[in-house]
Amino acid sequence: GESVGLHLPTLSVQEGDNSIINCAYSNSASDYFIWYKQESGKGPQFIIDIRSNMDKRQGQRVTVLLNKTVKHLSLQIAATQPGDSAVYFCAEPYNNNDMRFGAGTRLTVKP
Amino acid sequence: KAGVTQTPRYLIKTRGQQVTLSCSPISGHRSVSWYQQTPGQGLQFLFEYFSETQRNKGNFPGRFSGRQFSNSRSEMNVSTLELGDSALYLCASSLVGADSGNTIYFGEGSWLTVV
Repeated sequence: GESVGLHLPTLSVQEGDNSIINCAYSNSASDYFIWYKQESGKGPQFIIDIRSNMDKRQGQRVTVLLNKTVKHLSLQIAATQPGDSAVYFCAEPYNNNDMRFGAGTRLTVKP
Repeated sequence: KAGVTQTPRYLIKTRGQQVTLSCSPISGHRSVSWYQQTPGQGLQFLFEYFSETQRNKGNFPGRFSGRQFSNSRSEMNVSTLELGDSALYLCASSLVGADSGNTIYFGEGSWLTVV
């Protein structure tokens, strides 16, 4: 079935380095994707979104890239900080608020 | 502007009991959805309400139910609790619906432990 999935379950980076978190999707008709950050004991927090008519979108220290040809999107975090340590999910609206989430990638930032 | 508010934050119930969780969406948001999050299954969609009507439902048994009030506040209920119902229950709200391009915002969740 159609799904949204993540390539790697864990990612460890040094403080100050850039982080790249990847996500693959299978529904070529998807036109909207969202990245969420979830810290321990908290609910998912919206980070950034992108529509299918865009290849790239930038926020504060974050950039999302969308490659529709290979159905892949990535989240880049510049100058990763300890506060960025969390689980990151990509999500795709399926029907109304039925969001399909990837398994999540746990980002650990080493001092 | 206040975010999505969920109560209670933590609760412990015994097998066979029932539980009601409450959610207040962001002011002006009319769509409220519920998710279950467990380590094994990840985030799974339960159901979504808009203007007091359930528009969409995930693959959960009938023991899981919900409703939405005229002020957009929502409740979900789980009857005849099972150990496997132990999870973080998340409420999310949006203006209309995520497939309309509206971002959905999550609350902090209600941690349910069934013993």
